[in-house]
Amino acid sequence: DTAVSQTPKYLVTQMGNDKSIKCEQNLGHDTMYWYKQDSKKFLKIMFSYNNKELIINETVPNRFSPKSPDKAHLNLHINSLELGDSAVYFCASSQALGTGVEKLFFGSGTQLSVL
Amino acid sequence: SQQGEEDPQALSIQEGENATMNCSYKTSINNLQWYRQNSGRGLVHLILIRSNEREKHSGRLRVTLDTSKKSSSLLITASRAADTASYFCATERGNTPLVFGKGTRLSVIA
Repeated sequence: DTAVSQTPKYLVTQMGNDKSIKCEQNLGHDTMYWYKQDSKKFLKIMFSYNNKELIINETVPNRFSPKSPDKAHLNLHINSLELGDSAVYFCASSQALGTGVEKLFFGSGTQLSVL
Repeated sequence: SQQGEEDPQALSIQEGENATMNCSYKTSINNLQWYRQNSGRGLVHLILIRSNEREKHSGRLRVTLDTSKKSSSLLITASRAADTASYFCATERGNTPLVFGKGTRLSVIA
């Protein structure tokens, strides 16, 4: 049973296209996140949602729009893809932000390649 | 903003040896965590140490935390080829998501 699952695992697309990445967690967690990992393995927070509500948006271009239909799902839609968007995108979840013991559970990542 | 910095960036050791990785951070924290990432996979939580703790053990892992120096170390004893991965420290500061360092790439040669 996969705790945090994201699809697709690989995404190859042309510049200017719009694409979505889906994420689901079956851990009953209240908080979900999107992280971006660049080619140098640097992992940077993009968004954080708590119980379907956006709580953190780390100066991400508005071409990126997260959507949380319920607390178990956090999808990421990207408009007008650019070469610089190529990276691995990770979805993660945790019990609750701010509890002081925020252990993250990660999905296996979506490798996005923009050509 | 980046908080943790791991050192070294890469480490190569023989199976059976110990591996030590260090992490330095800039601001006060609630806790510090270490994660492992195998190639092509997501990060997996290894161990969490609270700001009022100095040392913690989990199996072959030993983590220390020195809040006065704003640094932590992860020691893996008796390393195995399966320990080959990237290791990241991450810090938590209250109501903000974990902030990760750039990681240490560990290679354990059989």
